Amino acid sequence: DTGVSQNPRHKITKRGQNVTFRCDPISEHNRLYWYRQTLGQGPEFLTYFQNEAQLEKSRLLSDRFSAERPKGSFSTLEIQRTEQGDSAMYLCASSAVGSGYEQYFGPGTRLTVT
Amino acid sequence: QQPVQSPQAVILREGEDAVINCSSSKALYSVHWYRQKHGEAPVFLMILLKGGEQKGHEKISASFNEKKQQSSLYLTASQLSYSGTYFCGTERSGSARQLTFGSGTQLTVLP
Repeated sequence: DTGVSQNPRHKITKRGQNVTFRCDPISEHNRLYWYRQTLGQGPEFLTYFQNEAQLEKSRLLSDRFSAERPKGSFSTLEIQRTEQGDSAMYLCASSAVGSGYEQYFGPGTRLTVT
Repeated sequence: QQPVQSPQAVILREGEDAVINCSSSKALYSVHWYRQKHGEAPVFLMILLKGGEQKGHEKISASFNEKKQQSSLYLTASQLSYSGTYFCGTERSGSARQLTFGSGTQLTVLP
């Protein structure tokens, strides 16, 4: 088990372009979360999946953001028409189902929108 | 609503103790503690559940006051490796397992 992995680790894009990030969770984990983190702040919840079902999405999440987990394994997060305010670290985490769970985070994808 | 962490920053000498606090205005189901070093992912330290169950690293201790919706993380005999930013993440009762994180406590341990 190599933990949660994310690709790419860094992404620089121009404003208005679309970007897609990938997250591979720990293999036996059913739950997968996306967070966004800006400098000096804690991670901010974006959305989460249980298996392939997207069960919750932050009210703060713009409709330019979409996430999928088609086979209940890896997940993708797409940002359309990027804006400079989207620049942040995008973190993925996974956990097992049930009480007493803990979320394990991946290394993140740092997005810079120029 | 975001939980409030205190202090915002603390500087220790190796071997000293520290307490980091996390307070919420909402009823909580659980509190999670993570440590993040610069440029790295948050690392799980401890989870404390309503009802008293807790799980985490052996060298880390924490408490959860359900009546006050407050949690404290106790770092004893600090080591240089303890340096980093500590975040508490709170899960509200009835929510769908999403965590709301505080803005962090920056801990620096000096030799």
